Amino acid sequence: KAGVTQTPRYLIKTRGQQVTLSCSPISGHRSVSWYQQTPGQGLQFLFEYFSETQRNKGNFPGRFSGRQFSNSRSEMNVSTLELGDSALYLCASSLETSGLGEQFFGPGTRLTVL
Amino acid sequence: KNEVEQSPQNLTAQEGEFITINCSYSVGISALHWLQQHPGGGIVSLFMLSSGKKKHGRLIATINIQEKHSSLHITASHPRDSAVYICAVDPNSGGSNYKLTFGKGTLLTVNP
Repeated sequence: KAGVTQTPRYLIKTRGQQVTLSCSPISGHRSVSWYQQTPGQGLQFLFEYFSETQRNKGNFPGRFSGRQFSNSRSEMNVSTLELGDSALYLCASSLETSGLGEQFFGPGTRLTVL
Repeated sequence: KNEVEQSPQNLTAQEGEFITINCSYSVGISALHWLQQHPGGGIVSLFMLSSGKKKHGRLIATINIQEKHSSLHITASHPRDSAVYICAVDPNSGGSNYKLTFGKGTLLTVNP
């Protein structure tokens, strides 16, 4: 089975722009979670989707949003980019339905905001 | 205070040594995860556990729900075990909260 894929792998944007990141889960996995990793804050939870429904959201401003499609692929969007949004954005998928389950991580998208 | 505390933050060992990384948490949980991250970013799930002990090869994870504590052990450590090890919890003892809260990680370096 193919693993979790994320596109693009690297992205450079300027302040004020918006960005959309994509995540394709492992085939059959319906849960997709998004995480932000920075040197200062470490890993932080952004949101989790299951069957197109957001089941939980982390403590991030409304500029961070996401969605999941009927084929379980997920996108996250960050609007009005700030320098502090520079980070590695990871998504993970899970087979579990009643809980979060074991997380299978993608390689991440490294976003640099100039 | 962080909900998830790991110790030590940094650990250097000689090849072959037995290694223990500790994780303490302050809230009720439905599950605890141990993750491994190599330089370059890729994260791999090592264990997900809610009670007792699990073993996979040279890796052993234990959890004590009453004491809110988990340990990750590596037997016969090898330089390829050098990585950051991250503890994460799903913080809701009544059932999954569908989110993870992470520790800051332990940087392990195993010298040949």
